[in-house]
Amino acid sequence: GDSVTQMEGPVTLSEEAFLTINCTYTATGYPSLFWYVQYPGEGLQLLLKATKADDKGSNKGFEATYRKETTSFHLEKGSVQVSDSAVYFCALSPTGNQFYFGTGTSLTVIP
Amino acid sequence: KAGVTQTPRYLIKTRGQQVTLSCSPISGHRSVSWYQQTPGQGLQFLFEYFSETQRNKGNFPGRFSGRQFSNSRSEMNVSTLELGDSALYLCASSLNPAPDGETQYFGPGTRLLVL
Repeated sequence: GDSVTQMEGPVTLSEEAFLTINCTYTATGYPSLFWYVQYPGEGLQLLLKATKADDKGSNKGFEATYRKETTSFHLEKGSVQVSDSAVYFCALSPTGNQFYFGTGTSLTVIP
Repeated sequence: KAGVTQTPRYLIKTRGQQVTLSCSPISGHRSVSWYQQTPGQGLQFLFEYFSETQRNKGNFPGRFSGRQFSNSRSEMNVSTLELGDSALYLCASSLNPAPDGETQYFGPGTRLLVL
């Protein structure tokens, strides 16, 4: 069945470090791919999305490219800030609004 | 525009009881989905409603049920509560279900503790 696997955390980085959170997926067809972020004490927020192969989603300095050949959607940011500390979820939607989420990766950025 | 609201925010129940959680989607949104979030399992899809009809259902036992009203508000019910049902229950709404995965907007969740 459809599923998402993302790297386990927690991840701790120093401010201005480069961030990569790996996400791979299993799906039939051509799902849409998403990254959601959950800040402490808040609900999930959409960070970025890509709906077809080779699309690049970007927002707030974060980027992820839909790679069908490697079934991946890795999240990257060139220079993280303390305010980026949160839990990041990779997700896919094969059709309609049925979403499959990864288990989440906790990121802590220290000054 | 007001966001997705969920009530109550916190709930404590005992094993064997039942519970009803409520979700009001963003105004104009007609699709509502429910998720269970636990530390061990992460976010798991429960079900999705659109126009008062259940469109998709995740892999949960029949103790978990839901419904949607004509104003798009949704409720989910869990009967015969078990300790393992303790979780954060998240509701998400979107305008319409779409083949490419319409963006969902999440509420703050209802934290359920089963004792």
